[in-house]
Amino acid sequence: GDSVTQMEGPVTLSEEACLTINCTYTATGYPSLFWYVQYPGEGLQLLLKATKADDKGSNKGFEATYRKETTSFHLEKGSVQVSDSAVYFCALMRTDSWGKFQFGAGTQVVVTP
Amino acid sequence: KAGVTQTPRYLIKTRGQQVTLSCSPISGHRSVSWYQQTPGQGLQFLFEYFSETQRNKGNFPGRFSGRQFSNSRSEMNVSTLELGDSALYLCASRSLGGPNGANVLTFGAGSRLTVL
Repeated sequence: GDSVTQMEGPVTLSEEACLTINCTYTATGYPSLFWYVQYPGEGLQLLLKATKADDKGSNKGFEATYRKETTSFHLEKGSVQVSDSAVYFCALMRTDSWGKFQFGAGTQVVVTP
Repeated sequence: KAGVTQTPRYLIKTRGQQVTLSCSPISGHRSVSWYQQTPGQGLQFLFEYFSETQRNKGNFPGRFSGRQFSNSRSEMNVSTLELGDSALYLCASRSLGGPNGANVLTFGAGSRLTVL
């Protein structure tokens, strides 16, 4: 079945440091890929998405590129802020799966001043 | 545009009781999905409804059920609660029209259920 594997956290880094969260997936066909972010006490918010190979999603300084050859969708940000502290989820959805998103386990990111 | 609204936000039940959670999707969104989030299992898909019909279902026992009304609002019900049902239950809606927004889930803040 489909699966998403992302690096374990917590990831702790200083403000203005570079962030990379690795995400790899297993799925048949060509799923859409997503990064969602969850702040304490809240639901998930879409951060960015990519729907086909080599697409790059970007938002709020975060970027991720859909790599079909390596089945990866790593999240990167060049300079993090304290406000980026949250849990980040990588997810996929196959177009034939009727809204069933497969989420990774989540990676907690802690940014210190 | 109002977001996805879930009620109640917090509730405490005892084993054996049942619970009903409510979700109002974004206006115009006809698809509603439910997910269970726990520290041990992460985010797990429960089911999705579209036009009052269940279109997909995850691997949960029959104690977990749901329905959708003609106005797209959805409810999920858990009967005979067990301690392991303690979780954050997240509802999400999506629009099925158009190539850009069709596959994006918009989540509510969740209903935190504690079973004692």
